[in-house]
Parts: sequence; structure tokens; C-alpha cells
Amino acid sequence: DAGVTQSPTHLIKTRGQQVTLRCSPKSGHDTVSWYQQALGQGPQFIFQYYEEEERQRGNFPDRFSGHQFPNYSSELNVNALLLGDSALYLCASSLAGGYEKLFFGSGTQLSVL
Amino acid sequence: RKEVEQDPGPFNVPEGATVAFNCTYSNSASQSFFWYRQDCRKEPKLLMSVYSSGNEDGRFTAQLNRASQYISLLIRDSKLSDSATYLCVVKNQGGKLIFGQGTELSVKP
Repeated sequence: DAGVTQSPTHLIKTRGQQVTLRCSPKSGHDTVSWYQQALGQGPQFIFQYYEEEERQRGNFPDRFSGHQFPNYSSELNVNALLLGDSALYLCASSLAGGYEKLFFGSGTQLSVL
Repeated sequence: RKEVEQDPGPFNVPEGATVAFNCTYSNSASQSFFWYRQDCRKEPKLLMSVYSSGNEDGRFTAQLNRASQYISLLIRDSKLSDSATYLCVVKNQGGKLIFGQGTELSVKP
């Protein structure tokens, strides 16, 4: 039973660049949520995708966008990177647009220089 | 004020000690409550849900006080393997999970 997989595991970018992070949900799950976790902080909700649509969004600027594909996998895109975007980006999957029993991937560590 | 606030930590305790973590939440309409565990920069994993009546899972006991908007986690007879960051999580009215900043626990031999 494949768990939540994220790629890449680590990424280094410079200010102003754009980045795309990828996530495949746990087998049987159809909902993907993205979280940003800065060092020493808890995960902060970015947005949730269900049925290929953004369903809910946290307090993040429009530079953060996403997509969900028919196979339920998802991408997180961040444009015009800032130093403050350096964080661990976590993807979590669940069922039917809900947030119960979230399964997290091991994350993508993004460093912006 | 943050929606979910936890003891800042870190907590450094010897093996066998009992340790308690506290958490407060600001939204009285919050629906569900959880404790997650996160090992060093790995993914958070659900430790246990928290119910109004209090619940226990082995050495772990969780309590919820809705009137005070307060959640606790008690770990008895702590083990080296309990060393991790413990995240208090609240499900808000919209269904989103709101995470606290986490409390780091280090259990020493």
C-alpha cells in the first residue's frame, strides 16, 4: 500500500525563481492538502484540492498556486520566490474533501538563497 | 493571538519521567482535537484524537476542557523513543486542521 509520496525531497532555488513541488496521495485517497512548515513552527495550511478544484485556502498570497490531476496527484507552484518561502512543504492526503485521518508525505525541503 | 498555542519547550526529561504538554485554542466553535507527533523534520503522524471525556492509549492520556479551551497530553514512564515534537491540532468550523507550533520533547537516559 503506497503511502503519500512527494518529490523532490530537497530543492535549492534563488530569489525570484519559480518552483513546482509534486505529491501523489495514498492509494485510495482523492484529496490533497498542502502545508508549509517553517523551522520551529507547526505546519500552516496552504490549500486543499478535491475533485481537481481548490476547495479551501489558507492565508497565503496568490504566488502560491496548485493543481490536481485526474489521478488525484497534485502540484504546488510558488512564483517569485522570497527568502521567507524557505520551509518544509508537506502534502497530506485524505478522503472526500475531508481532513480526518490525514496521511502526510515526508515533505520537500525548499531553501531559497 | 494564534489560534492554537502550545508550551514553547523544549522539555528535557529523564527516562521514566512523567511529562505533560498543554495547549490552548482561541475558537470556541472548534470541533475536533488531536495530538500529532513529528520526528526531526519528518512528516507529522497522528498520535491520538482527544475527546471531551478524556482518553488513554497505553502510556498516553489526552484531556479536553471545552470551557477553558484547553487540551493536554500526559506521557507516563517516558522512553527514549518518545523524543519528538508534539503538535496540538484543532479542527475549525471550516474543517481545516490548525496546528500549534509544537513542543519538543527530549528524553535522556
